[in-house]
Amino acid sequence: NAGVMQNPRHLVRRRGQEARLRCSPMKGHSHVYWYRQLPEEGLKFMVYLQKENIIDESGMPKERFSAEFPKEGPSILRIQQVVRGDSAAYFCASSRLAGGQVQYFGPGTRLTVT
Amino acid sequence: AQTVTQSQPEMSVQEAETVTLSCTYDTSESDYYLFWYKQPPSRQMILVIRQEAYKQQNATENRFSVNFQKAAKSFSLKISDSQLGDAAMYFCAYRSYEIIKETSGSRLTFGEGTQLTVNP
Repeated sequence: NAGVMQNPRHLVRRRGQEARLRCSPMKGHSHVYWYRQLPEEGLKFMVYLQKENIIDESGMPKERFSAEFPKEGPSILRIQQVVRGDSAAYFCASSRLAGGQVQYFGPGTRLTVT
Repeated sequence: AQTVTQSQPEMSVQEAETVTLSCTYDTSESDYYLFWYKQPPSRQMILVIRQEAYKQQNATENRFSVNFQKAAKSFSLKISDSQLGDAAMYFCAYRSYEIIKETSGSRLTFGEGTQLTVNP
């Protein structure tokens, strides 16, 4: 049973470009969570999505960041007009049930903004 | 809002010995979950152990066990017979129990982490 998959694993973008991070949850999981880990810090919650719905986006920056989880396909975290401060590791997690007790994490995408 | 504090940025232990990592949290809720995650150099987040607050018995998973003190809001992780592969960053995390709180109940709140070094 494949785990949570994220791609790309590493992404380099110049300032002003767009970054798209993809997350495929574990089979049978329909709840996805995105977290950001800045250098030398713990993970910080960004957004919680179910299929076609954003449930909780209270951790998302108000501008430039958006997330979606369409009926078909992976969840996408989109960062427009990236800045150096967006450089971080972005982790996706999934759970089977709403507020599922255990969230299983993907390997993360390391975004570097030059 | 809940907060999680790990007061030990770094810890070290000799191989085969025991080490305890500390975690405290702040919450007004009576029911919740607590977790320890391990992040090795590969950066993959790996669940080590979990505890339900309504259970008095401390969780154990092989060499890993917790000391859960609900009144003190303390949740420490004990690693027995430490192995070189235990070297990693360890994160303590909190999650609300009430899944009906859709706006915030599902998120994990993490501490800042403790970097564990295992010396041969």
